[in-house]
Amino acid sequence: RKEVEQDPGPFNVPEGATVAFNCTYSNSASQSFFWYRQDCRKEPKLLMSVYSSGNEDGRFTAQLNRASQYISLLIRDSKLSDSATYLCAVKGYQKVTFGTGTKLQVIP
Amino acid sequence: NAGVTQTPKFRVLKTGQSMTLLCAQDMNHEYMYWYRQDPGMGLRLIHYSVGEGTTAKGEVPDGYNVSRLKKQNFLLGLESAAPSQTSVYFCASSFGATRAEAFFGQGTRLTVV
Repeated sequence: RKEVEQDPGPFNVPEGATVAFNCTYSNSASQSFFWYRQDCRKEPKLLMSVYSSGNEDGRFTAQLNRASQYISLLIRDSKLSDSATYLCAVKGYQKVTFGTGTKLQVIP
Repeated sequence: NAGVTQTPKFRVLKTGQSMTLLCAQDMNHEYMYWYRQDPGMGLRLIHYSVGEGTTAKGEVPDGYNVSRLKKQNFLLGLESAAPSQTSVYFCASSFGATRAEAFFGQGTRLTVV
């Protein structure tokens, strides 16, 4: 079983739609959780950290469920500019492990 | 701000050739990482370092060596390149704190023919 698993998609959604991504992790000792955004042929960039209490940044909401070992990302009112690949990342004692990424395509 | 800088950005190697990828960061980060990214495989950790003079193996270390002689630099070496090492290589760095995010370089596109 992979340490971090994501649905690769692609998710094709119309502008204005709400879309949710999930990511599961296998190591219950994992300490920190993140969502990164990666545009085509570019490096990943931090979208947001994920906290146990959940956190929101504009149209983006991230949640952590430690009991079930998954994190989620909700994007409301999708924009064309949200089209990208979204990677979840899990940080353990020293290493940062990434999921394979979920590709989102927002359609006009 | 430079952040994390990788050199070179592109390279074509012949099978059996060697090369070194350089990663430099100016953020005084303790931790540095080398990943490779292949279609459908996501980012896979090759080697990492938690401080100057330290290195450790990641998920896919075979065929690669690393060195961290200075805190700001992390070198990735391919001693005898193989076509299976054709990939995009990303370097990243972070503070050692638990919640510290990783910052990435722009990547090196390596093709081994």
